[in-house]
Amino acid sequence: EAQVTQNPRYLITVTGKKLTVTCSQNMNHEYMSWYRQDPGLGLRQIYYSMNVEVTDKGDVPEGYKVSRKEKRNFPLILESPSPNQTSLYFCASSFLAGGPNEQFFGPGTRLTVL
Amino acid sequence: AQSVAQPEDQVNVAEGNPLTVKCTYSVSGNPYLFWYVQYPNRGLQFLLKYITGDNLVKGSYGFEAEFNKSQTSFHLKKPSALVSDSALYFCAVRARYGQNFVFGPGTRLSVLP
Repeated sequence: EAQVTQNPRYLITVTGKKLTVTCSQNMNHEYMSWYRQDPGLGLRQIYYSMNVEVTDKGDVPEGYKVSRKEKRNFPLILESPSPNQTSLYFCASSFLAGGPNEQFFGPGTRLTVL
Repeated sequence: AQSVAQPEDQVNVAEGNPLTVKCTYSVSGNPYLFWYVQYPNRGLQFLLKYITGDNLVKGSYGFEAEFNKSQTSFHLKKPSALVSDSALYFCAVRARYGQNFVFGPGTRLSVLP
């Protein structure tokens, strides 16, 4: 089944404890992206990747890191999480980096930083 | 800078009635426009997109959207709402030669039986 998977689905952590949220897609998509969803703000793009080893900042990149060493994986790293990073996070992918290609979304990761 | 507005936080409609969820955008050039739906505890699902050409786009589950260039709008419509259409709807835009996507804040649709 074609899908985007994220792990973990739920995570409660404490301020300053490094964490990684994994994202993997099995559709051979070039483009991958991370979003956070907050009430009243919709989805805001954190980082995106146009292909292996090619990443760029979205609208809210502060406090996050990403890497794209393999085409299928795009982990999101929080080196020192803070309470304002408590949010619902979505990974997404699309076939090509540009153009009108729609994105396929993962199921989401709900992160709470205490 | 790109931006998307969804002027209504909440839309209520009776089952069987037509529904409209509004979206306006601001982006230079001719953008690509998308609608996504999010059901509770789920990721976003793609509904439809506008690329070019016909201003009326048909998508999944009987939804359609009307592109209006002069009003920079891309309203989502359905002729007859179902209770199962109740969900959170997001409009999104991507500049024709851009890489990033910008989403609106979302509109919660409630279809009342």
